[in-house]
Amino acid sequence: NAGVTQTPKFQVLKTGQSMTLQCAQDMNHNSMYWYRQDPGMGLRLIYYSASEGTTDKGEVPNGYNVSRLNKREFSLRLESAAPSQTSVYFCASTMGQVQYFGAGTRLSVL
Amino acid sequence: SQQGEEDPQALSIQEGENATMNCSYKTSINNLQWYRQNSGRGLVHLILIRSNEREKHSGRLRVTLDTSKKSSSLLITASRAADTASYFCATDEGGGFKTIFGAGTRLFVKA
Repeated sequence: NAGVTQTPKFQVLKTGQSMTLQCAQDMNHNSMYWYRQDPGMGLRLIYYSASEGTTDKGEVPNGYNVSRLNKREFSLRLESAAPSQTSVYFCASTMGQVQYFGAGTRLSVL
Repeated sequence: SQQGEEDPQALSIQEGENATMNCSYKTSINNLQWYRQNSGRGLVHLILIRSNEREKHSGRLRVTLDTSKKSSSLLITASRAADTASYFCATDEGGGFKTIFGAGTRLFVKA
């Protein structure tokens, strides 16, 4: 039982490159979330998926797209990376109110 | 915009002392949660308190909630070096799917 698994753990991109962050959970949770965390700050919600087949914007969705591939997987895509997207990205899943987090993806955009 | 605001931003104490962190929020909530984040890791859930509860305990943790003041506090008793981490409060937005996190309190416990 791995919980929430994020890949990759680290990534360096050049401005304008694209990439997809992968997230998978094995807890049969309905809802999944993508957050970003910048130094000294809390988590800001990028997108969430309340259930399979639905996605909604969070607080900071600009520059990102998401896909809820199935109940287990929720991916985050950066189409044209910008230095302002340098951050640590966390995926989480929840049943009820408690959120379970992955270990994070550390992304640097040069 | 952030719902929860923690206070203080940073706290340094000696092992064995108690640590108190506060959280204020802006809108009505159904519940409030506290999470811990060790350096370089994801957040881990500590405790959830519902809006109709005033106090809740879990091991060395004690959480209070005052909905009239829109505030909560987390008390860690008899702190240990292993308690060194950042602590975040998180609130729902009136029962929706979103959970809004504060900026966190960084706790450093000196051995």
